[in-house]
Amino acid sequence: AQSVTQPDIHITVSEGASLELRCNYSYGATPYLFWYVQSPGQGLQLLLKYFSGDTLVQGIKGFEAEFKRSQSSINLRKPSVHWSDAAEYFCAVGLISGGYNKLIFGAGTRLAVHP
Amino acid sequence: DGGITQSPKYLFRKEGQNVTLSCEQNLNHDAMYWYRQDPGQGLRLIYYSQIVNDFQKGDIAEGYSVSREKKESFPLTVTSAQKNPTAFYLCASSISFLGENYGYTFGSGTRLTVV
Repeated sequence: AQSVTQPDIHITVSEGASLELRCNYSYGATPYLFWYVQSPGQGLQLLLKYFSGDTLVQGIKGFEAEFKRSQSSINLRKPSVHWSDAAEYFCAVGLISGGYNKLIFGAGTRLAVHP
Repeated sequence: DGGITQSPKYLFRKEGQNVTLSCEQNLNHDAMYWYRQDPGQGLRLIYYSQIVNDFQKGDIAEGYSVSREKKESFPLTVTSAQKNPTAFYLCASSISFLGENYGYTFGSGTRLTVV
């Protein structure tokens, strides 16, 4: 069965430090992969998506992700974190199932940023 | 600007009452979805609809009902049969295009509290 694992429930970094959020997926083929961000009390906003091609994907807000097929992973990175990046981050696998677009979400990683 | 509007943002309900959450989109997306979010449990799919007048149960449909009379609208009713309805509810939509998954666009959510 398809699944998404985000191993880190909580991560705390200092402002200005680099960030890497991990995501592993289980799927038989190369899936569509997404990273979303959710600020408290808000909906999810798409940061970036990977379909195929270059394994390094650029997103919004200075985020990027690297797809590694051999590790079934797509880790989210940012070189220098800002206090406004404190939020919850969700990784998702996109499938075509029964003719509709299905997203399977990981449990999320909550990011705290220390000044 | 195109997007998804969920209303109200906050909703209070007495036990034993039904309540309807609104979701409207002007993105011309075919598919719409309802998710429930509880702390530490990620996103769980309640119902989804690929086209007007058709919808399917998700993973946790018991105690909920939906309708899809118009392409733009996908209201969710939380019935008195839902045992633990206090949660954050998210509506989403997607292009339903065979062969590709472009991910979802989310609304800003409705927080339902049973008092």
